[in-house]
Amino acid sequence: GESVGLHLPTLSVQEGDNSIINCAYSNSASDYFIWYKQESGKGPQFIIDIRSNMDKRQGQRVTVLLNKTVKHLSLQIAATQPGDSAVYFCAENMPLIYNQGGKLIFGQGTELSVKP
Amino acid sequence: DVKVTQSSRYLVKRTGEKVFLECVQDMDHENMFWYRQDPGLGLRLIYFSYDVKMKEKGDIPEGYSVSREKKERFSLILESASTNQTSMYLCASSLQVNTEAFFGQGTRLTVV
Repeated sequence: GESVGLHLPTLSVQEGDNSIINCAYSNSASDYFIWYKQESGKGPQFIIDIRSNMDKRQGQRVTVLLNKTVKHLSLQIAATQPGDSAVYFCAENMPLIYNQGGKLIFGQGTELSVKP
Repeated sequence: DVKVTQSSRYLVKRTGEKVFLECVQDMDHENMFWYRQDPGLGLRLIYFSYDVKMKEKGDIPEGYSVSREKKERFSLILESASTNQTSMYLCASSLQVNTEAFFGQGTRLTVV
């Protein structure tokens, strides 16, 4: 049959469990990374960021881990709640070599579903 | 709070029409971005700008152009709309490189 679109990777967790969302980024020169949360009908909202000179950063209930060796980023959400249900995107900043700009590129996204 | 405002939430245009999508930010941000979002494809960068009158192509610039005559406003232009440009369009801005980007609510454009 016809393909009408790609399906997002999905993660289903029980309320109260920890969630881990993974992301592979594309460019070894990327120097800044952000995780966003997008709820239905809304624009993406910032969760947490990390610079390339760090490998871990913690926020409130969230932790981001960066592994530059394998170009991998993860978002850990502690004690996941129903309100965490959303699509989560990682983004990488690819610096431009010829000016001060930067290209902010997003991953495909992962849909997190929290079961009560 | 930073506010990024897109001029329309929903827009329906005919094939071949010239379409303007407007985005305004109120925090004196240097960088502005236009993305389109399609199911399963995430956000794809169309164009971005790091200063007034400066623009850079993103990953999918074909069929689009942009204008940044003032720092606070970044316009996306579809010179001749086609049905494959039916999508959700998201504008974002950031203070400078390597700072978080703030998004507008999006414009859902349908080309018929």
